[in-house]
Amino acid sequence: DAGVTQSPTHLIKTRGQQVTLRCSPKSGHDTVSWYQQALGQGPQFIFQYYEEEERQRGNFPDRFSGHQFPNYSSELNVNALLLGDSALYLCASSREISGPQHFGDGTRLSIL
Amino acid sequence: DAKTTQPTSMDCAEGRAANLPCNHSTISGNEYVYWYRQIHSQGPQYIIHGLKNNETNEMASLIITEDRKSSTLILPHATLRDTAVYYCIVRVFSGYSTLTFGKGTMLLVSP
Repeated sequence: DAGVTQSPTHLIKTRGQQVTLRCSPKSGHDTVSWYQQALGQGPQFIFQYYEEEERQRGNFPDRFSGHQFPNYSSELNVNALLLGDSALYLCASSREISGPQHFGDGTRLSIL
Repeated sequence: DAKTTQPTSMDCAEGRAANLPCNHSTISGNEYVYWYRQIHSQGPQYIIHGLKNNETNEMASLIITEDRKSSTLILPHATLRDTAVYYCIVRVFSGYSTLTFGKGTMLLVSP
């Protein structure tokens, strides 16, 4: 039973560019959440998708956007990248909104 | 979601029980206690959650005090692979609710 998978595992971009990160939820899960984890900090909630709609959003600018597809997979898009966007981006899935969230191993994004 | 307080770091000898405390004195009646851990270079791993009764699974036990203001995660026989940052989180179980991570406890298991 595959867990949460994220791609790519590592990515290097330059300031001003745009990036798309992808997530496939665990089998049987229908809700996807995205988190940003800066070095030495705990993960911070970006947003959550359920039934292809954004249901909750954390304190992140609208440069951060997302999408959920009918097969429950999800994408995180970040526009106009800043140096401060360098972080580990984590995807978590759950069975329904209230279920325990299970995380992937993340995408390490470095901005030069 | 209620705030939690955890020690910054703890040490444990391999084979001994690791008892990780968490204070959540402002927890509400509809908030559950969740525990996650994060091993270096990996995503957080769900361990266990509970409301007011003690819970046990194959990974750990969760002991919640009667007043629900604190809890303890117990790893009964710690191994070197249990070295990780452990996060205690309180979260409303129903509706739109997410995980708010603090800094957690760095548990170092030594031979």
